Amino acid sequence: SQTIHQWPATLVQPVGSPLSLECTVEGTSNPNLYWYRQAAGRGLQLLFYSIGIDQISSEVPQNLSASRPQDRQFILSSKKLLLSDSGFYLCAWSRQINTEAFFGQGTRLTVV
Amino acid sequence: GENVEQHPSTLSVQEGDSAVIKCTYSDSASNYFPWYKQELGKRPQLIIDIRSNVGEKKDQRIAVTLNKTAKHFSLHITETQPEDSAVYFCAAPQGGSEKLVFGKGTKLTVNP
Repeated sequence: SQTIHQWPATLVQPVGSPLSLECTVEGTSNPNLYWYRQAAGRGLQLLFYSIGIDQISSEVPQNLSASRPQDRQFILSSKKLLLSDSGFYLCAWSRQINTEAFFGQGTRLTVV
Repeated sequence: GENVEQHPSTLSVQEGDSAVIKCTYSDSASNYFPWYKQELGKRPQLIIDIRSNVGEKKDQRIAVTLNKTAKHFSLHITETQPEDSAVYFCAAPQGGSEKLVFGKGTKLTVNP
């Protein structure tokens, strides 16, 4: 069966510090991968999605970046965090277009 | 690109009543419409989805209807129970792509 791992679950970082959130999927190959951000009381904002290694689409201009160094690994990074980067970050995967997306447990990021 | 609008943002019903959440989308090429449920502090999970070749789909107390001409789809929950309390999200893909766009969510509260 397929599983998705996302870590860490919670993170408190000072303004200006770097960020690295990791997501890995097991039990499938060539998944579509997504990063979403959920601000408090708001919807799921698509940040990045990837259909293959080194094929990443950025949806929102910001100080975040994403990389996919391996087929089933998706990393969200920042060189310098802003207060506005606080939120709940969710990684997700799907097998192909127009199919169910499976979410990771999420990372609660607080920038102080 | 795809734009998904969801209403209402909050909904409060009495146990046993029905709840209806509506979404509109902008991309006429979209052909897959999932609904996700997110309980407090947890990850979103798919509860039902519909494809553009059907107008309605039911799964026990949950149903989704789709009007492709008007570009809107709705989630119907009958005989609501307190455990239905959660945030519900609709989504639609940008037509022909893996980009999955979510609505802003509806917080449903079912009062006992």
